[in-house]
Amino acid sequence: GDSVTQMEGPVTLSEEAFLTINCTYTATGYPSLFWYVQYPGEGLQLLLKATKADDKGSNKGFEATYRKETTSFHLEKGSVQVSDSAVYFCALKSGANSKLTFGKGITLSVRP
Amino acid sequence: DVKVTQSSRYLVKRTGEKVFLECVQDMDHENMFWYRQDPGLGLRLIYFSYDVKMKEKGDIPEGYSVSREKKERFSLILESASTNQTSMYLCASSTRQGLREKLFFGSGTQLSVL
Repeated sequence: GDSVTQMEGPVTLSEEAFLTINCTYTATGYPSLFWYVQYPGEGLQLLLKATKADDKGSNKGFEATYRKETTSFHLEKGSVQVSDSAVYFCALKSGANSKLTFGKGITLSVRP
Repeated sequence: DVKVTQSSRYLVKRTGEKVFLECVQDMDHENMFWYRQDPGLGLRLIYFSYDVKMKEKGDIPEGYSVSREKKERFSLILESASTNQTSMYLCASSTRQGLREKLFFGSGTQLSVL
């Protein structure tokens, strides 16, 4: 079945550091890939998505590229801010009628 | 903006009680979902609904039931709450967009069962 594997956390970085959060997936067919973010005390919200191979999703300075050859969708940001402290979830959807499959999430803490 | 509203932010119940968690969305979305979020386990799907009066089991439906009598409202019911149901419960909704489907989440209900 479909699955999403995220790197183990938590991750703690200093402000302005470079961020990479790894995500790999297993799926049938050609899934769409998503990153959701959960800020403290809030529900999840969509951060970015990519619907086909080599697509790059981007939002709020974050980027992720859909790599079919490595079945990966790593999240990157060049310079993190304290306000980026949150839990980040990678997710996939493998068919029009399928449900979203989420990874376990990773907590990012950015210190001033 | 789409709004998904969960009735309670925090809830404390006793073992054996019947518990209702309510969720309302204001964007006429067809799809609604209930997840629970636990540390180290991420999000797990309990039940979902693609239309009024329709319901489908998710990955962990045991001990739960749902009700969708109106399009905008999706209720999660714990018939007899147990301590292992202490968790953060998240409701979400979406409109049918196939592979581009985007979920909108409520802020969650932290349920403690004592």
